Amino acid sequence: DQQVKQNSPSLSVQEGRISILNCDYTNSMFDYFLWYKKYPAEGPTFLISISSIKDKNEDGRFTVFLNKSAKHLSLHIVPSQPGDSAVYFCAASPYGGATNKLIFGTGTLLAVQP
Amino acid sequence: GAVVSQHPSWVICKSGTSVKIECRSLDFQATTMFWYRQFPKQSLMLMATSNEGSKATYEQGVEKDKFLINHASLTLSTLTVTSAHPEDSSFYICSAPELQGTDTQYFGPGTRLTVL
Repeated sequence: DQQVKQNSPSLSVQEGRISILNCDYTNSMFDYFLWYKKYPAEGPTFLISISSIKDKNEDGRFTVFLNKSAKHLSLHIVPSQPGDSAVYFCAASPYGGATNKLIFGTGTLLAVQP
Repeated sequence: GAVVSQHPSWVICKSGTSVKIECRSLDFQATTMFWYRQFPKQSLMLMATSNEGSKATYEQGVEKDKFLINHASLTLSTLTVTSAHPEDSSFYICSAPELQGTDTQYFGPGTRLTVL
């Protein structure tokens, strides 16, 4: 039972354009969400997070939007750069905060074309 | 940011042998660490929660006698894959929450285990 889903296994975007990565979840008890970037054979790198009491959080080129009623969140990267090419995972925390165990989505491979 | 290291980064072993993987928080203390496993082109699946000074908590379906976890100190957790078999071949990643500053979770670089 996949509680966190990323339905797009891959996404290709031109450099300078916006990248939008989507994530859906099924458990309404999740109250904290995170996005991680991962290269092959490396551990995930934290990008940005959002608490369920907010609907938007922005950090530089990265913005995360949360729609609790739809149980949906998205990561916007603008402008996209070739160095952003990686696998992006969304993760949800079932027990509150970012410091407890995380449930990961299936990942989306982003390719930013020069 | 906070740094978590893993050793070794990759290991090849024969079926039936045991392999120990270390996870260290380098510049912060972690009373809790998490162990994940990732199969090719799949998501990271939580295996267990490592607790300093007490027994690890295993997720449903994870054999505690096969995947031994020891949280020896506030900066070190070890995962031992006992009697490894080819189906245990995977990418093992640990993480540690950093509670004093950024209040987030940092991941190690991972360990690639191949069992022949």
